[in-house]
Amino acid sequence: GNSVTQMEGPVTLSEEAFLTINCTYTATGYPSLFWYVQYPGEGLQLLLKATKADDKGSNKGFEATYRKETTSFHLEKGSVQVSDSAVYFCALRSGGTSYGKLTFGQGTILTVHP
Amino acid sequence: EAGVAQSPRYKIIEKRQSVAFWCNPISGHATLYWYQQILGQGPKLLIQFQNNGVVDDSQLPKDRFSAERLKGVDSTLKIQPAKLEDSAVYLCASSIGQNYNNEQFFGPGTRLTVL
Repeated sequence: GNSVTQMEGPVTLSEEAFLTINCTYTATGYPSLFWYVQYPGEGLQLLLKATKADDKGSNKGFEATYRKETTSFHLEKGSVQVSDSAVYFCALRSGGTSYGKLTFGQGTILTVHP
Repeated sequence: EAGVAQSPRYKIIEKRQSVAFWCNPISGHATLYWYQQILGQGPKLLIQFQNNGVVDDSQLPKDRFSAERLKGVDSTLKIQPAKLEDSAVYLCASSIGQNYNNEQFFGPGTRLTVL
């Protein structure tokens, strides 16, 4: 079955530091890949997505590239801000008979200090 | 555009009691999802509706959990009787369709504590 594995957390950084959150996946077929973000007290929000190999998703300074050869979709940001403090979830979604079900990783807590 | 609404936001009950959660999806969204998010884990799909029909309930513990979406709009998720391990955040999401390219929009969730 489908599965997503995220790097162990939590991650604590100083403002303006470089961020990488690793994500690898196992899936049949050709899934779409997503990063969701959950700010304190709010619901999950889609941060970025990529639907095919070598696609790069980007939003709000965050980027992730769909690497089929390494089955990875690592999240990066060049300079984090305090407002980026949140929980980040990597997820995949495949077609076929799964009816578009999202499969999530366990989440990575990011805390950014001034 | 109004987002996905859920109520209540918080609920505390004792084990063996029953509880119900309500979700109102984004207007016009045919597909509705209920996820369970246990602390420290990612959300896990419990049930997916397409209009008022169930598409996937393979991970719903049917001996105690039930869900309905009678008119293809609002949905309720019920737990009866609750167990300690049901303590979690219950997330409702909706999408315009069930195609895997249709974005899912999430509500704020209901945090359930079972004592």
